[in-house]
Amino acid sequence: EIVLTQSPATLSLSPGERATLSCRASQSLSSYLVWYQQKPGQAPRLLIYDASNRATGIPARFSGSGSGTDFTLTISSLEPEDLAVYYCQQRHAWPYTFGQGTKLEIK
Amino acid sequence: EVQLVESGGGLVQPGGSLRLSCAASGFTFSNYDMHWVRQPAGKGLEWVSAIGITGDTYYPGSVKGRFTISRENAENSLYLQMNSLTVGDTAVYYCARAPRSIPGAPDCWGQGTLVTVSS
Repeated sequence: EIVLTQSPATLSLSPGERATLSCRASQSLSSYLVWYQQKPGQAPRLLIYDASNRATGIPARFSGSGSGTDFTLTISSLEPEDLAVYYCQQRHAWPYTFGQGTKLEIK
Repeated sequence: EVQLVESGGGLVQPGGSLRLSCAASGFTFSNYDMHWVRQPAGKGLEWVSAIGITGDTYYPGSVKGRFTISRENAENSLYLQMNSLTVGDTAVYYCARAPRSIPGAPDCWGQGTLVTVSS
């Protein structure tokens, strides 16, 4: 089973700042890495698939990069509504697995 | 509007069974892989099962042999039969669809149904 490790566990930033979230895999995923946003009380929402492709309707301030074992989700200029937990997930091999999440707090 | 609506959650005793349903609408159900993902309260996400458009199924070791995923395309419905439930199965269970172009990356999720396993 592929293990995904996200860092940091919590990130506290102000509106307008840049957020950088990391995800490291226990083995190479090629580019089969997905990012989700989960706001309080809601289901997860697909943000980025295959490391760098924004899903339909996702604002351009969200971007993804990386390949192999190291991946990054960047939010270029934080908005108050970006308060959420962000999960990475691999679709390289079954069973698909998630990271433990990064909680993004907005000051 | 694309919609997934789960039902069937509730309180069940350890060792008991429960069947979850997911009603799909607003898209061609038979063209999508379907998934169940769960989330214990305050914790992270865990894949529970997946079923492809041809009926191929996938389970992680934690539920293999206890859970069965199925689909009925004529009814636009997805199911999860859960047997031999333990307290560790307590969670919100989400139904999700994944396009064939990006299998394993669900782009639409239901609101979830809560399963509580307790005596």
